[in-house]
Amino acid sequence: GAVVSQHPSRVICKSGTSVKIECRSLDFQATTMFWYRQFPKQSLMLMATSNEGSKATYEQGVEKDKFLINHASLTLSTLTVTSAHPEDSSFYICSARDDGGGQETQYFGPGTRLLVL
Amino acid sequence: SQKIEQNSEALNIQEGKTATLTCNYTNYSPAYLQWYRQDPGRGPVFLLLIRENEKEKRKERLKVTFDTTLKQSLFHITASQPADSATYLCAPTLDNQGGKLIFGQGTELSVKP
Repeated sequence: GAVVSQHPSRVICKSGTSVKIECRSLDFQATTMFWYRQFPKQSLMLMATSNEGSKATYEQGVEKDKFLINHASLTLSTLTVTSAHPEDSSFYICSARDDGGGQETQYFGPGTRLLVL
Repeated sequence: SQKIEQNSEALNIQEGKTATLTCNYTNYSPAYLQWYRQDPGRGPVFLLLIRENEKEKRKERLKVTFDTTLKQSLFHITASQPADSATYLCAPTLDNQGGKLIFGQGTELSVKP
């Protein structure tokens, strides 16, 4: 079945540093990937849509200079949290849409827990 | 603006009973609706998709209904098991959103043995 991986699964960093999170589709190609953020006891909030070879589309209220997205290949998208602060601590989840499936077919990664000290 | 509401309170049921979760949406007409399961500290897992022209869809012990008049979807788990305990998320989706999912806040289900 379609598998999406994320790396790292957990990261602790100091305030002011940047953190890169990778999202990979392991056995399918994904022109489109999505990045979500989830705070405790809350639902997933879409941050941005990542398209291979073009600029990401950010949701309202999400700073594109703060959350840099690069989708350089059909199997990899990266999210970089720049100059991280404690309020950026959250659970970041990516999903990938299978190019070979229907538009609705989307698979989620296991998530990355970010803690900024 | 588009709004999605799920049972905000946790649902506690006895093993073997049927769990029924509700998803209501307002201010838009989704072309299809998806249900996901999420365990603590994990990403969501796709369960079922139902389209606007389908009234009901089943998969093993799961059943989803989609009432476009009431703007509501019901998600049923029959013969529930403790392993079904998780948070269930619904995502009513427009056709022209490029696959973008907007989730409800989820309903936490707890099945007691």
